Amino acid sequence: GENVEQHPSTLSVQEGDSAVIKCTYSDSASNYFPWYKQELGKRPQLIIDIRSNVGEKKDQRIAVTLNKTAKHFSLHITETQPEDSAVYFCAWGTGFQKLVFGTGTRLLVSP
Amino acid sequence: SQTIHQWPATLVQPVGSPLSLECTVEGTSNPNLYWYRQAAGRGLQLLFYSVGIGQISSEVPQNLSASRPQDRQFILSSKKLLLSDSGFYLCAWGSPMGEKINNEQFFGPGTRLTVL
Repeated sequence: GENVEQHPSTLSVQEGDSAVIKCTYSDSASNYFPWYKQELGKRPQLIIDIRSNVGEKKDQRIAVTLNKTAKHFSLHITETQPEDSAVYFCAWGTGFQKLVFGTGTRLLVSP
Repeated sequence: SQTIHQWPATLVQPVGSPLSLECTVEGTSNPNLYWYRQAAGRGLQLLFYSVGIGQISSEVPQNLSASRPQDRQFILSSKKLLLSDSGFYLCAWGSPMGEKINNEQFFGPGTRLTVL
């Protein structure tokens, strides 16, 4: 079935620390793994994505890693800042152009 | 560049009343279009998606329906709203299969619906 487990549900860190959010998916045919950031009352914004032929992708302070064998992928945020505070959603997609979303992680970065 | 619009931005409706939410996309042709619902403090639930005019796939049984009368227009409707229909409704678009073969979806600003 279509299922994405996302952990933790909430994460509190101090400014400057790193934050890691992990998602586990069930469908071995999954080939696309995006991460979205949603600030309070706003739309989700795509922040980074990775495809199944790549193990890691980095964009400044944000990185995503993919372990296809274990069927999990993670979002890594380094040197966190208060403006990183938001809800983060992982998702997985297939060639059928559909995304299944995780349950979300509320990240709070304290100054 | 592509732009996606939704209206209204907020809506308060009584139980049993009808609903019509509209989504339009600019700057792309033949997009895949999606309707999601997000309950307060919760994740994103896919309601409907469409790969072309008049083509609608429903993901969950409910009292909502969707229509795509034009290539870049997607409408979410209900004949009689329930209390449980309250939520944040998000429209999204994605590139069609065959063009770049990717799954990025980009969300509209959303409609916040409160059913009383």
